[in-house]
Amino acid sequence: GENVEQHPSTLSVQEGDSAVIKCTYSDSASNYFPWYKQELGKGPQLIIDIRSNVGEKKDQRIAVTLNKTAKHFSLHITETQPEDSAVYFCAASLGYGNKLVFGAGTILRVKS
Amino acid sequence: GAVVSQHPSRVICKSGTSVKIECRSLDFQATTMFWYRQFPKKSLMLMATSNEGSKATYEQGVEKDKFLINHASLTLSTLTVTSAHPEDSSFYICSAIRLQSSYNEQFFGPGTRLTVL
Repeated sequence: GENVEQHPSTLSVQEGDSAVIKCTYSDSASNYFPWYKQELGKGPQLIIDIRSNVGEKKDQRIAVTLNKTAKHFSLHITETQPEDSAVYFCAASLGYGNKLVFGAGTILRVKS
Repeated sequence: GAVVSQHPSRVICKSGTSVKIECRSLDFQATTMFWYRQFPKKSLMLMATSNEGSKATYEQGVEKDKFLINHASLTLSTLTVTSAHPEDSSFYICSAIRLQSSYNEQFFGPGTRLTVL
């Protein structure tokens, strides 16, 4: 089955700096890769996703890149703000109706 | 955006009792909903996949007789924890996929904190 590894487990950055979180997946058939932000005591919130027919996607300060050959994808957050502090999860899926396999999560701390 | 609600947000119960958690898609229809369990500082662990009008599919190691799932309509799925034990205490989260979506975008509820005394 699919296995997703996520690094780093914790990341501290200064406000205004960039943050990068990386994930690798094992199943080459996976074709959907979302990123979720989870704040303490709340459910995960979808912040950006990418499908296997696209190499990069950007939404304001957030971007995701996908390398299908290497089977890894990354989340990039630029100009970080204190409110970006949260746990971020990557996931991989085989497509519609299939389960998401999550990475272990990254605790992002943005210091002001 | 797609909104998913859960009720209750918090529940405390005694050992041996049953607790029902509701998951609703408020502004869209969902043929498929998922139930997850999350331990403190851990990732989400999929418990089961709930499909409207059919039996749920449980992940390996999840007791289907203990965690009863019913997906009675395109907007509601329920998880009932039967004969609750303290080790069932956890954060339970549901997610839903939009009926019209061709991709696997899952929208999550806010979660339910279950404490079993």
